[in-house]
Amino acid sequence: ELKVEQNPLFLSMQEGKNYTIYCNYSTTSDRLYWYRQDPGKSLESLFVLLSNGAVKQEGRLMASLDTKARLSTLHITAAVHDLSATYFCAVVLLGTDKLIFGTGTRLQVFP
Amino acid sequence: NAGVMQNPRHLVRRRGQEARLRCSPVKGHSHVYWYRQLPEEGLKFMVYLQKENIIDESGMPKERFSAEFPKEGPSILRIQQVVRGDSAAYFCASSRAGPKATNEKLFFGSGTQLSVL
Repeated sequence: ELKVEQNPLFLSMQEGKNYTIYCNYSTTSDRLYWYRQDPGKSLESLFVLLSNGAVKQEGRLMASLDTKARLSTLHITAAVHDLSATYFCAVVLLGTDKLIFGTGTRLQVFP
Repeated sequence: NAGVMQNPRHLVRRRGQEARLRCSPVKGHSHVYWYRQLPEEGLKFMVYLQKENIIDESGMPKERFSAEFPKEGPSILRIQQVVRGDSAAYFCASSRAGPKATNEKLFFGSGTQLSVL
């Protein structure tokens, strides 16, 4: 059974600071996604990571994937209030069509 | 260019009633997925459908829950004889091709919040 764990679960950080969210998964997969969810809203796709060593960046967010370690990171650079949301990683269970989600990291950025 | 449309946004039912949740995928998308989210938790896969076919329903309870995606019209998630434990947010997602396709993204709807009294 594929398990996806994120840490931390809650993150309160000051504007301008940097931080990293971690996503570990338990079995082999060939793709990993990062999503953002605002309260009461839908999920917004941020990144799709397909290969070992993949790195993608969009604005203040950068995601990377290490398939050997079964680890993805979402790095936040110089946080701003607009980044406050819950961030989910999700992994496709190999050989299936299922996307398995982590429990999410609730990020709060304060002045 | 409408995204995934779900309705209703909020649905209140009493125990024992039926709940019908609707999902219209992005135009041109033939793959639909339903997920359930409990408070403070991630999304849990329920069912994956292509037009007129259920591909994977391994995440859906065998009793009381059913899903369809007819040739015409929206996908429907139906919950019969609802119980309080069914209270959750139900999200629908769609894609042009299946998740095995490289680089394929899922587009999510805004969800239906089901509350069972």
